[in-house]
Amino acid sequence: AQSVTQLGSHVSVSEGALVLLRCNYSSSVPPYLFWYVQYPNQGLQLLLKYTTGATLVKGINGFEAEFKKSETSFHLTKPSAHMSDAAEYFCAVSEIGTALIFGKGTTLSVSS
Amino acid sequence: DTAVSQTPKYLVTQMGNDKSIKCEQNLGHDTMYWYKQDSKKFLKIMFSYNNKELIINETVPNRFSPKSPDKAHLNLHINSLELGDSAVYFCASTQTGTGGLGGRITGELFFGEGSRLTVL
Repeated sequence: AQSVTQLGSHVSVSEGALVLLRCNYSSSVPPYLFWYVQYPNQGLQLLLKYTTGATLVKGINGFEAEFKKSETSFHLTKPSAHMSDAAEYFCAVSEIGTALIFGKGTTLSVSS
Repeated sequence: DTAVSQTPKYLVTQMGNDKSIKCEQNLGHDTMYWYKQDSKKFLKIMFSYNNKELIINETVPNRFSPKSPDKAHLNLHINSLELGDSAVYFCASTQTGTGGLGGRITGELFFGEGSRLTVL
């Protein structure tokens, strides 16, 4: 079965600093990987995804992620954090049999 | 017009009661889901329906019964509510990809805003 592990349940950065949220996956087949964001009291929203093709994928709000097969990783980055980026971030893998399996989430805090 | 809408948004009830949460999507998707998010924000798949047919039924107590009257609706009925059922329940939908292995999701899951269930 596929799974994802998010390293660090809580990440704190200053406004303008680099954001790095870590995700490692386990999959016996080529993985389909996703990052979702959840703002307080809202549902999840897709930031970006990797299925095939270019390993560096760009998403909304200036986020990007790089698929590294050799490291089984799909880390999320943003060059410069903004206060509005404070939210819960979930990495997910698409399981055979049509379900998204989510990691445990990382809370991103941004201080001014 | 909300893409995936859930009702009610908040539900407070006593142990032992029966309650339902409704979900509707107007995106024309063929697959719908129920996820449970616990107090630690962990999201767990509960059920998945494709064109009104149950395709995923995780290890969920049989007090939980999903029903899909048509492919745009997926409701969740919970009998004999317990304290541990307190959580936020999310409905989601997607159009299942035809490519990839085992028909895996390749596109976006669209989520409702969640239904917060509190059992007292």
